[in-house]
Amino acid sequence: NAGVTQTPKFQVLKTGQSMTLQCAQDMNHNSMYWYRQDPGMGLRLIYYSASEGTTDKGEVPNGYNVSRLNKREFSLRLESAAPSQTSVYFCAGGRETGYYGYTFGSGTRLTVV
Amino acid sequence: QKEVEQNSGPLSVPEGAIASLNCTYSDRGSQSFFWYRQYSGKSPELIMSIYSNGDKEDGRFTAQLNKASQYVSLLIRDSQPSDSATYLCAAQRGGGNKLTFGTGTQLKVEL
Repeated sequence: NAGVTQTPKFQVLKTGQSMTLQCAQDMNHNSMYWYRQDPGMGLRLIYYSASEGTTDKGEVPNGYNVSRLNKREFSLRLESAAPSQTSVYFCAGGRETGYYGYTFGSGTRLTVV
Repeated sequence: QKEVEQNSGPLSVPEGAIASLNCTYSDRGSQSFFWYRQYSGKSPELIMSIYSNGDKEDGRFTAQLNKASQYVSLLIRDSQPSDSATYLCAAQRGGGNKLTFGTGTQLKVEL
């Protein structure tokens, strides 16, 4: 039972390069989320998907795009990476009803140089 | 004003003592609350949830909620060095909705 799986775990990009962070969950959650975590800033929501086929902006969406490929997969794309996007990125899955919180993936540590 | 506020710490307690972690929230529409533990370099792990006023106990952990005061707390009894981590408080407006996180409190349990 893997839960929420993120790839890659580490990545170094040059400014202007693009990349896609992958996330897959096997918990049958309808809702999926992408957060970034920076020192002193806590977890900030980038984008979320309440259900397959829908996506919405969170608190800090600029510079990112997302795709909810199917119920299991939710990817985050950086089209032109900037040093300000150096962060740890977490994907999470959550149920659409009830009070169960989220299950987080193991994270991707991204450095943009 | 942040929606969910926590003291960043570090909060240092001796081994065996009670650690008390606090959180306040500004959105009166928040209905449920969560405590996550995050070890350095790891992802957040859910340890407690609470949505009714009062106390909820699970092993060494007790979550407390006071909606009138907009206050949530986490007590850790018999603190162990393995409890040293950052504790994140999160609020949710309703079932299935987004969580809003505080910035976390770093706890250090000293031998």
